Amino acid sequence: EVRLVQSGAEVKKPGESLKISCLASGYTFTRSWIGWVRQVPGKALEYVAVIYPDDSDTRYNPSFQGHVTISADKSINTAYLQWSSLRASDSAMYYCTRPLGWEVPYEFAQWGQGTLVTVSS
Amino acid sequence: EIVLTQSPGTLSLSPGERATLSCRASQSVSNDYVGWYQQKPGQAPRLLIYGASSRASGIPDRFSGSGSGTDFTLTINRLEPEDSAVYYCQQYGSSSPTFGGGTKVEIK
Repeated sequence: EVRLVQSGAEVKKPGESLKISCLASGYTFTRSWIGWVRQVPGKALEYVAVIYPDDSDTRYNPSFQGHVTISADKSINTAYLQWSSLRASDSAMYYCTRPLGWEVPYEFAQWGQGTLVTVSS
Repeated sequence: EIVLTQSPGTLSLSPGERATLSCRASQSVSNDYVGWYQQKPGQAPRLLIYGASSRASGIPDRFSGSGSGTDFTLTINRLEPEDSAVYYCQQYGSSSPTFGGGTKVEIK
């Protein structure tokens, strides 16, 4: 059974850094894309980025590129999303997600439970 | 960026009825790479349909997707109370996927 278990909720101040995680199990981590989708409460879903852990190939939504960094640690089957300087507008639920197959990285078939990030002074 | 417009915003129907949800793209979606997701309150989204018309694993055949180019439809036959949710379409035919604003389905 595929499982994506995310780190817990975070409360941060503007300008602070943050790294959230997603521990994957039940499949070969290096042979599947894994990514992040954002959802501001009450709003629609937004694609953030995906990474292929085997070679660290990354693909970003241009709206997020330069502000967030996606990474993966193959040794512990974990994907990350990090910020070096948070903004209030980063406040949202962030979902870790895995696509159906390796050829098309965006058919998001498995989802983590979500990590709520709150950025407030 | 391809913009997806979903309609209607809210659909209120009775159990056993059919729901027809529309998703219109601002430009043609390559390979008909359109997905549909169901999201219930407090839960992560669930993939229903991918490639415009293929059902994901474990999805009842009451759910079906159709369409091509710029116009796509999710049909839910024989509505059940547990179908109450927000439904999102997604396109991934461009270099950066986008989602629609969602359609809320309410069961009377």
